[in-house]
Amino acid sequence: GAGVSQSPRYKVAKRGQDVALRCDPISGHVSLFWYQQALGQGPEFLTYFQNEAQLDKSGLPSDRFFAERPEGSVSTLKIQRTQQEDSAVYLCASSLDRDRASFGPGTRLTVT
Amino acid sequence: KQEVTQIPAALSVPEGENLVLNCSFTDSAIYNLQWFRQDPGKGLTSLLLIQSSQREQTSGRLNASLDKSSGRSTLYIAASQPGDSATYLCAVDGNTGKLIFGQGTTLQVKP
Repeated sequence: GAGVSQSPRYKVAKRGQDVALRCDPISGHVSLFWYQQALGQGPEFLTYFQNEAQLDKSGLPSDRFFAERPEGSVSTLKIQRTQQEDSAVYLCASSLDRDRASFGPGTRLTVT
Repeated sequence: KQEVTQIPAALSVPEGENLVLNCSFTDSAIYNLQWFRQDPGKGLTSLLLIQSSQREQTSGRLNASLDKSSGRSTLYIAASQPGDSATYLCAVDGNTGKLIFGQGTTLQVKP
C-alpha cells in the first residue's frame, strides 16, 4: 500500500522567502508528526497532530514556523521568512497507534 | 529533559563481522525504544521496537536489547553485509508519542 508521501522532495529558497511543505499521511492514520533533521544529526521533534488538533507544538523553533492539518489528513508545514539555519530535511511521520510510525522520504530544504 | 546519545558516531568493518551499536538515554521513564535505519536521501525505516517491559527483540540478523535501569540499549548485527551500510538511529518515546533521537551511527561494511 501507499506510504507517507511528502512534496516537494527538494526545495531551494532564497533567504526571506516563504515555503510550504506538504505531507500526505497513510490513509486512516490519526497521528501525524513533523521532525527537522539537520545535516549529520538525528531528527528533532517539531509538532504533533491527532486528527486535526495540534496537541504539541513545543518543538517549533520560532514563530516563523506554522503547521496545520485542517481536515485531519494532509498536513502543511509553513516557514515564513526563511533563514539559512532553516536548511534541513523535514520529515513527516504518521501512525495509527502509538507504537509504530511510518516516515516519509522527507523534504530537503536549502536556503541560499 | 531526555537526552539520547549514540556511540560510536561512525564505524567501518569488513564484511562478515558481528558488531554492536550503542545507545544511552538519561531518563529511564520511557514507553518504548526503537532502532531505525536511514539510507542516504531516504526516510527512516523502523527495524526493531522494544516496549519498556521487554528486554530484547530480534529480527533476522538483528537483535536489540534494552536495560531501562542503566539507560542503555544495544543493536547487535550478526554477519554484517555491505547492504547493511547505512545510518542507524536510536529513538525513545517517553509516553508522549514524540520520539527523541540520538545523533546516529553511520556504518560502512566493506566487501
